[in-house]
Order: sequence, then structure tokens, then C-alpha cells
Amino acid sequence: RKEVEQDPGPFNVPEGATVAFNCTYSNSASQSFFWYRQDCRKEPKLLMSVYSSGNEDGRFTAQLNRASQYISLLIRDSKLSDSATYLCVVKGNYGQNFVFGPGTRLSVLP
Amino acid sequence: DAGVIQSPRHEVTEMGQEVTLRCKLISGHNSLFWYRQTMMRGLELLIYFNNNVPIDDSGMPEDRFSAKMPNASFSTLKIQPSEPRDSAVYFCASSYYTDTQYFGPGTRLTVL
Repeated sequence: RKEVEQDPGPFNVPEGATVAFNCTYSNSASQSFFWYRQDCRKEPKLLMSVYSSGNEDGRFTAQLNRASQYISLLIRDSKLSDSATYLCVVKGNYGQNFVFGPGTRLSVLP
Repeated sequence: DAGVIQSPRHEVTEMGQEVTLRCKLISGHNSLFWYRQTMMRGLELLIYFNNNVPIDDSGMPEDRFSAKMPNASFSTLKIQPSEPRDSAVYFCASSYYTDTQYFGPGTRLTVL
């Protein structure tokens, strides 16, 4: 089993739709969680960190369920500019490295 | 402040040649990560350094790959000899101890 797994996608949604991505991780000792966004032929960029209590940044909401080892990202009122690959990232403590999921590609259609 | 700087941005070389990729960290950061990304395997961590010391190189594919960090702000990833299967985008990322990693623009390597 891979350390971090994500919905395979791709997701093709119309503008204005709400879309949710799921991510599961296998290492129960993981401490930090993130969503990164990667545009085509560009580098990954931090979208948001994921906190235990859940957090929201505008149209984006991230949730963490430690018991189920599950992270989610919800995008409301999707825009054409949201089209990208979304990478789930998990990190342990004490120098453990970041583990990136395979990514879920989103295409928002006009 | 400048972000992570990588050079070259594109490299085309022939099989058997030596390839050197370069990375400059964000000023003040002390951790550096080298990644490789392909369509088939996604983003793979090759090696990371903390305070110039290699911490985990378990992702380095084989002895043809080597990475150094001669000072606190600069690193090189060398492939010698290069093979067509090394073709990929190589990213460097830096961070301050833990949490957020900032990626450079990547080097797109093609080995013919």
C-alpha cells in the first residue's frame, strides 16, 4: 500500500460546481498535512496547510480526520483558474520527509 | 526575496554524458530537497539535506546519482553517466526546518 493515496481523477466539473478531493495516509505517526497545487509544466505550490480543527481559506476548505487517517479538500464555486493537479502531502515529525500523493487532476470547464 | 533558483531550466544531452543540476536555496532556509517527477511515477523524493548534512538519500536511484551541498545555500545533483530513463523534471525545494516547502521552477532533463 502506498503511503499517501488520492482519488485518481481526473475530475471534470463545470464552473461554479463544488468538488471534493480525498486523500488517505498509512503512517499513523504523521503530524503535518498540506495541500499543494501544481499547474501544468510548473512547480508545486502550497495551497494550504491542514489543521486538526479543519480550516478554510476563501472557497477552499480542508479537513483532517486522524482516526481514519483521511484528509479532504473542498472547493466551492469552482473557477476556470482552479484547473490544476492537487497534491496531498503528509509529513511526520523528527526529520521525516514529506511524502507527496500522486495528485488528482481537476479541469473546470466553461 | 528571490525564491528557489534552479539552473539550467532545460537540459538536453546524449546518453552517457554527465549532467549537473544546480539549486540555490531561499535565504535563511536550512533544508533542501531534490525531487524527480515523471508521468509514470509522480513526484519522488531523491535526497534531502538539513543544515548541509544529507539526512535521507534512500530515494537516490543508483550510484550514477550524487548530490552535494558545499555550502548553506547551494546544492548540485549530478548524474553520471546519464541514461534515457533519467529524463524527467527535477525539482529542488527548500524549507526552514519543517513544514512548508518552496519549490524551484524545475529543470526539464531530456537524455537522448
